[in-house]
Amino acid sequence: DAKTTQPTSMDCAEGRAANLPCNHSTISGNEYVYWYRQIHSQGPQYIIHGLKNNETNEMASLIITEDRKSSTLILPHATLRDTAVYYCIVRAGGGYSTLTFGKGTMLLVSP
Amino acid sequence: DAMVIQNPRYQVTQFGKPVTLSCSQTLNHNVMYWYQQKSSQAPKLLFHYYDKDFNNEADTPDNFQSRRPNTSFCFLDIRSPGLGDAAMYLCATSRGGNRNTEAFFGQGTRLTVV
Repeated sequence: DAKTTQPTSMDCAEGRAANLPCNHSTISGNEYVYWYRQIHSQGPQYIIHGLKNNETNEMASLIITEDRKSSTLILPHATLRDTAVYYCIVRAGGGYSTLTFGKGTMLLVSP
Repeated sequence: DAMVIQNPRYQVTQFGKPVTLSCSQTLNHNVMYWYQQKSSQAPKLLFHYYDKDFNNEADTPDNFQSRRPNTSFCFLDIRSPGLGDAAMYLCATSRGGNRNTEAFFGQGTRLTVV
């Protein structure tokens, strides 16, 4: 699976949009971009995934660049409960594959 | 309703005393995973089952074993826990097959070795 690079930490004010970047310059054509988050002392939680089109669900939006070498997870109105470590993971498609976690981004949402 | 259930949430064991952690799922997923997460680190995959097929990661110590008696249950056995095995242990499931689907995680079992 391709490696990902994320900032170690980010801050966001409550109510503002949180934009979390991820670089995956070696991504291959059949690899998906997945985002998970892990709130302190809990198991990771799935957020969203995409292949090349932008995706949106009730939690977040995922913007993938046209060359697919980077992506951005957007939390449109961050709340204090969004404080967590966010993991961007590239995962092979076309069948099941395991998740390999990188170091992730610690997002701190402040009042 | 919880879909991936890990018991217990907290486990204390003695140095060298075998310990078993359990995971159950109500999703009927083919794949079950065990991850180890040490303090301030990312989860690290130990092994996984696709149905009854066991897949061990190359760097998983022999001290760690797993059993999956049926679709719903999976166990992590640590034969002789050392102080370095203190960690959060996470179980996850995914559907498998030909579809790229998300994995669902349990809340983890935090293991303390004394």
